[in-house]
Amino acid sequence: GAVVSQHPSWVICKSGTSVKIECRSLDFQATTMFWYRQFPKQSLMLMATSNEGSKATYEQGVEKDKFLINHASLTLSTLTVTSAHPEDSSFYICSARAETSGDYYEQYFGPGTRLTVT
Amino acid sequence: GQNIDQPTEMTATEGAIVQINCTYQTSGFNGLFWYQQHAGEAPTFLSYNVLDGLEEKGRFSSFLSRSKGYSYLLLKELQMKDSASYLCAVRDGDYKLSFGAGTTVTVRA
Repeated sequence: GAVVSQHPSWVICKSGTSVKIECRSLDFQATTMFWYRQFPKQSLMLMATSNEGSKATYEQGVEKDKFLINHASLTLSTLTVTSAHPEDSSFYICSARAETSGDYYEQYFGPGTRLTVT
Repeated sequence: GQNIDQPTEMTATEGAIVQINCTYQTSGFNGLFWYQQHAGEAPTFLSYNVLDGLEEKGRFSSFLSRSKGYSYLLLKELQMKDSASYLCAVRDGDYKLSFGAGTTVTVRA
């Protein structure tokens, strides 16, 4: 089956610093990747849609200058949280959409990255 | 936009059956998904419905009625490992998923 990895799995950083999270599709090419954020005991909220070779599309209320997304290849998307603050502490999950979607469960989720900003 | 409702919590006994309901009001519909999520982990796919009716997959079944904006996930022969959060998600025409808040199922011995 399709596998998506994320790195790091958890990270602690100081307020004001930037953190980069990587999302990789390991055995398939993903023209589209999605970034979600999940606060404790809440559901996943879509932050942005990342398309290979083009600018990401951000959901309403998500600051594009704070959450920088780069999708430089068909297997890698990165999310950089810039000038992180404690309120950015959350569980960040990416998913990748398989290029050939005859497969109906087309979004494959990564294992998530736990970010804690102190 | 999307409005997806599901109960917050449910409790059931090991070996029993539990049904988790999901109602939705969406601006576009291109399929409904159910995911299982254990605390601190990513969601794992359980089922997919795009046409009306019941889809059965082992101990898990999912039902969809598009005219009613309604789905349910049926978990049979509950096991302790089924204790988790169950997420209902609707896919729109742009292939984006909108998730409900999730239903926490607790299985008791």
